[in-house]
Amino acid sequence: AQTVTQSQPEMSVQEAETVTLSCTYDTSENNYYLFWYKQPPSRQMILVIRQEAYKQQNATENRFSVNFQKAAKSFSLKISDSQLGDTAMYFCAFMKLNAGNMLTFGGGTRLMVKP
Amino acid sequence: SAVISQKPSRDICQRGTSLTIQCQVDSQVTMMFWYRQQPGQSLTLIATANQGSEATYESGFVIDKFPISRPNLTFSTLTVSNMSPEDSSIYLCSVENRVLRNEQFFGPGTRLTVL
Repeated sequence: AQTVTQSQPEMSVQEAETVTLSCTYDTSENNYYLFWYKQPPSRQMILVIRQEAYKQQNATENRFSVNFQKAAKSFSLKISDSQLGDTAMYFCAFMKLNAGNMLTFGGGTRLMVKP
Repeated sequence: SAVISQKPSRDICQRGTSLTIQCQVDSQVTMMFWYRQQPGQSLTLIATANQGSEATYESGFVIDKFPISRPNLTFSTLTVSNMSPEDSSIYLCSVENRVLRNEQFFGPGTRLTVL
């Protein structure tokens, strides 16, 4: 079974600065997907970014980028130029290929962006 | 992306009663998922619901407690039966991205409080 660990329950960052959220996972699989989801106070889960394990290039989406270290089983999220609207819970998630597309979530990191 | 709605958005229920949560999608999807998010916790998959077949439940969840229906490709229901305060959670449905099959879109969630 896969496990996903987010070691930072809470973090804060000043507006316009950069913050990195950590995620590690444990799996014996070679092919899989990794995701970061954002859950603001509205409860809506929003997909922030995805990474295919077979791709060496780190995914980027505007101000969001990942540092994917497959050998270390690490998948951190960097948020640049933080905005107040980035305040939310952030969940790292793992999906094994061809296994019913089920997601395994980490425990989450609560991010507070301060003005 | 898919537009997903859930009803009710929140409810307060008495112990021993049952509540049925509806999930409606604006497009036909093969796979739908139901998750539970206990207070301050991460998301845990309850079951996968495919149209035309019985739902597949994850370890720790049983059909008698969480019966699921999937009558067509745009709709599913989850019933929380014989509720206790421990069932107080946010219940979220998600659907598979038809284009990028290894992504999921989430509904807004149903916040359930059991007294």
